[in-house]
Amino acid sequence: AQSVTQPDIHITVSEGASLELRCNYSYGATPYLFWYVQSPGQGLQLLLKYFSGDTLVQGIKGFEAEFKRSQSSFNLRKPSVHWSDAAEYFCAAMNTGFQKLVFGTGTRLLVSP
Amino acid sequence: NAGVTQTPKFRVLKTGQSMTLLCAQDMNHEYMYWYRQDPGMGLRLIHYSVGEGTTAKGEVPDGYNVSRLKKQNFLLGLESAAPSQTSVYFCASSYPRTGRTEAFFGQGTRLTVV
Repeated sequence: AQSVTQPDIHITVSEGASLELRCNYSYGATPYLFWYVQSPGQGLQLLLKYFSGDTLVQGIKGFEAEFKRSQSSFNLRKPSVHWSDAAEYFCAAMNTGFQKLVFGTGTRLLVSP
Repeated sequence: NAGVTQTPKFRVLKTGQSMTLLCAQDMNHEYMYWYRQDPGMGLRLIHYSVGEGTTAKGEVPDGYNVSRLKKQNFLLGLESAAPSQTSVYFCASSYPRTGRTEAFFGQGTRLTVV
């Protein structure tokens, strides 16, 4: 079955430190891949997306993600975290033929001073 | 453009009552989705639609029905609400005929069933 796995439920990072959030997918063919962010009580905002081509994708707010086909991964990174980055982050995948969008269970990011 | 609009934003229901959540998009998207979000479980797909007049079941369809009579609207119905349906519901749309795109989300509907 098609699925998206985010192995980390919570991550705490010091302000100014680097961040990496993990995402793995299980699909027959490479899906379209997305990272969304959700602040408390808010909807979901797209950070970045991967359809094809360059495996390093740049997004908004200084985030980037790297697609690795051999590892079925699409990890999100940021070189220096700000307190305002504290939120919940969701990885999602969309089957290129069927367009059903599936989400991981999310990773809650806490930023310590 | 308004994007994706959900109504209502909040609702409290008694067990056994029925209600309809409305999702409207003005981006001419083909696909629309209904998700529920529960703590620790991420967003789970309830039903989705790949075009006007078509619907399909997602991961957790039991207890819900949907209709897509107009391309811009996607309705989610609860015929007999249960406390287990207390959740935050999100609607999303995607895939204009002009090409690939990400999904755009509404602001959510917080439903409490007592």
